[in-house]
Amino acid sequence: QVHLLQSGAEVKRPGSSVKVSCKASGGAFSDFSINWVRQAPGQGLEWMGGMIPSFGSGDYAQKFRDRFTISTDESTSTAYMELKNLRTEDSAIYYCVRIRGYLVSLGQFDYWGQGTLVTVST
Amino acid sequence: EIVMTQSPATLSVSPGERATLSCRASQSVSRTLAWYQHKPGQSPRLLIYGASTRATGIPARFSGTGSGTEFTLTISSLQSEDFAVYYCHQYYDWPQTFGQGTKVEIK
Repeated sequence: QVHLLQSGAEVKRPGSSVKVSCKASGGAFSDFSINWVRQAPGQGLEWMGGMIPSFGSGDYAQKFRDRFTISTDESTSTAYMELKNLRTEDSAIYYCVRIRGYLVSLGQFDYWGQGTLVTVST
Repeated sequence: EIVMTQSPATLSVSPGERATLSCRASQSVSRTLAWYQHKPGQSPRLLIYGASTRATGIPARFSGTGSGTEFTLTISSLQSEDFAVYYCHQYYDWPQTFGQGTKVEIK
């Protein structure tokens, strides 16, 4: 059983950056796509981007392309997302999710982390 | 970007009744469509993928149909634990996109 454990809640100022970690356990890491999905208060789910760790390059939603980066550390089975130049509208729960399927970049999200609340406020 | 539109926004159903949720894609996504259940304070849970395949451990009362641009999630007999928000998700093309959700509430 795959388990994704995310880092804890963050409070940030506008213009700053946030980095959230997602440690995977219970299954292979390098060849399965890890993605990031967020949910702002009262809003729906929004895909931000994803990466297969063994590929080293990611796919990003155009909306976030300039200030969002996904990275991975295969030695610790950990994925990271960093969002820069934070705005108040970036306040949301951020989920790391894994795509079902070996070496597949597009697919359903079969495992979800517990979510990390990021609050951007003055 | 493929836009996913769910209807209705809210569905009021009595326990034991059938619930039918719809999802429409702005262009064909073949059968690359998933459904998720999301309860407050929890992470979303995968219910259906490939438009009609139930994920591991999902009860048989959940079923998915459709292909192309029109999809349906049916809950045959609502249980108390089924009251939640349901999202459809297309993974046919980038960016992957979700519908805005249907809230299933107790009538």
